[in-house]
Amino acid sequence: GENVEQHPSTLSVQEGDSAVIKCTYSDSASNYFPWYKQELGKRPQLIIDIRSNVGEKKDQRIAVTLNKTAKHFSLHITETQPEDSAVYFCAASITGFQKLVFGTGTRLLVSP
Amino acid sequence: SAVISQKPSRDICQRGTSLTIQCQVDSQVTMMFWYRQQPGQSLTLIATANQGSEATYESGFVIDKFPISRPNLTFSTLTVSNMSPEDSSIYLCSVVTGLGNYGYTFGSGTRLTVV
Repeated sequence: GENVEQHPSTLSVQEGDSAVIKCTYSDSASNYFPWYKQELGKRPQLIIDIRSNVGEKKDQRIAVTLNKTAKHFSLHITETQPEDSAVYFCAASITGFQKLVFGTGTRLLVSP
Repeated sequence: SAVISQKPSRDICQRGTSLTIQCQVDSQVTMMFWYRQQPGQSLTLIATANQGSEATYESGFVIDKFPISRPNLTFSTLTVSNMSPEDSSIYLCSVVTGLGNYGYTFGSGTRLTVV
């Protein structure tokens, strides 16, 4: 089955710096790759997603890139702010009607 | 996207007892999933709740421990049976909505503590 690896497990940056989180997946049939932000005590919230027919997607300070050949995708956050501090999870699924398999999570800490 | 009402939001239970968690969706959905998030960990899929048939369980999870019901396309329950402290986790339901531009939505979670 699908296996998703995520790195780094923790990431500390200064406010205004960029942050990059990387994930790799094992099943070449996966075609949907969402990123979730989870704040303490709250449910995961979708922040951006990408489907396998595109290589990059942006939404303001957040971008996701996908390399299908290498089977990896990355989350890029620019101009980080303290409120970006949270745990971020990547995930993958084969189709929209199959289970999501999650990465192990990255704890991002943005210091003022 | 769909709105999911999950309850209870939290509970403290005695070992050996059972707890049933409910998820109600505001629209009909085909796929519903149940996840477990152990303290400080990622989300792990317990099972896929199938309407009108038995749930599909992931490796390491069994029906006797986590029975699931899915009586219709808007509602599902997960029971955590014969609980032990190791079952202390957050349990979340999730649904897929949309067709071409689908997405996954999560319930607010149930924080379970077993003492």
